[in-house]
Amino acid sequence: QKEVEQDPGPLSVPEGAIVSLNCTYSNSAFQYFMWYRQYSRKGPELLMYTYSSGNKEDGRFTAQVDKSSKYISLFIRDSQPSDSATYLCAMSGPYGGATNKLIFGTGTLLAVQP
Amino acid sequence: EAQVTQNPRYLITVTGKKLTVTCSQNMNHEYMSWYRQDPGLGLRQIYYSMNVEVTDKGDVPEGYKVSRKEKRNFPLILESPSPNQTSLYFCASSLSRGGGRETQYFGPGTRLLVL
Repeated sequence: QKEVEQDPGPLSVPEGAIVSLNCTYSNSAFQYFMWYRQYSRKGPELLMYTYSSGNKEDGRFTAQVDKSSKYISLFIRDSQPSDSATYLCAMSGPYGGATNKLIFGTGTLLAVQP
Repeated sequence: EAQVTQNPRYLITVTGKKLTVTCSQNMNHEYMSWYRQDPGLGLRQIYYSMNVEVTDKGDVPEGYKVSRKEKRNFPLILESPSPNQTSLYFCASSLSRGGGRETQYFGPGTRLLVL
């Protein structure tokens, strides 16, 4: 079993839709949770970062972490064609600990249709 | 502009012909790493470096070498490439270890085809 599982998609939605992207994980030591966005032919770039459980909002993007279920989500409101990209979840344990390496999900390909 | 650069961006080679992919960052970051990205497997770490002259294996180091003689540069060396090393390669850097809350900054990628 992989440490981090992510549905690869592709996910196709109409412009303006609410998008939900999810990852599950198995290692309870993970404390830091990130979402990276990767446009075609580009490197990943950090989109959002969350520590431990809870929600974090940044504009149209909301990241949720449920440590009890080992489940994280990224919601995109009012999706735009410019949001079309691959979204990778990533997570790690506490700094300096045995699990402080960043572990990535396989990525979900999102296409927002105009 | 803060950035990670990689060269070349695209490379076609033949089995056994040694090649080097260069990586450079201008952010004075201590931590640098190499990943390969394959469909269905995601990003997998090949090697990483905590600082100058300090390197260690990641999850898939077989067939690769690295060196860190200067803080800004971290080249990836394939001494005898094989077709199973055909992949998309990314160099990344961060201020320190790369775990915890550290943001990793990725280069634009190098697409390698080994015939």
